[in-house]
Amino acid sequence: DGGITQSPKYLFRKEGQNVTLSCEQNLNHDAMYWYRQDPGQGLRLIYYSQIVNDFQKGDIAEGYSVSREKKESFPLTVTSAQKNPTAFYLCASSGQFGLSDEQFFGPGTRLTVL
Amino acid sequence: GQQVMQIPQYQHVQEGEDFTTYCNSSTTLSNIQWYKQRPGGHPVFLIQLVKSGEVKKQKRLTFQFGEAKKNSSLHITATQTTDVGTYFCAGRMGYGNKLVFGAGTILRVKS
Repeated sequence: DGGITQSPKYLFRKEGQNVTLSCEQNLNHDAMYWYRQDPGQGLRLIYYSQIVNDFQKGDIAEGYSVSREKKESFPLTVTSAQKNPTAFYLCASSGQFGLSDEQFFGPGTRLTVL
Repeated sequence: GQQVMQIPQYQHVQEGEDFTTYCNSSTTLSNIQWYKQRPGGHPVFLIQLVKSGEVKKQKRLTFQFGEAKKNSSLHITATQTTDVGTYFCAGRMGYGNKLVFGAGTILRVKS
């Protein structure tokens, strides 16, 4: 069954702690993305990766970091430098970056920082 | 930065009424995509429009891309309770560029 998995679905952390969100895809897609969704706002791009071992900052990269060591995996670390980390985080992938491919989204991780 | 404006932010309709959401960009778009996110779910791709003036239909949903490729609309005829959710447009400002999502329109349907 092809798709994108994100874990965990809900995550609670104390303020000041780093936390890593998992994203795995078995669609053989080159491009992967991380978005943040807040109530009443659209999807804001945090980081994206066009191909393995490469990634670029999106519109709101401050306080976040990523890696792309494997084609299937694109984990996101929310660092203590992120001023307002509580949000719904969505991972997505597409066949190739910058073309007309649709983006496939994972189920999301809802992060709450206490 | 580059923005795609989407209106209205929220719409509450009676079941059976029509619904329309609009997207506008100040920049010409190479293509535009539409996504639907059910409450508690994740965005799911609906359709992509590429050509100037293009119109596509999916059952009760009609998608249009403006002649200048700067605006788009999604129209739902005779809404049903299964249509509830948030509808997002996402524009690409040139091939090789990332998608820019609108803020979404939340649709609620009263039965």
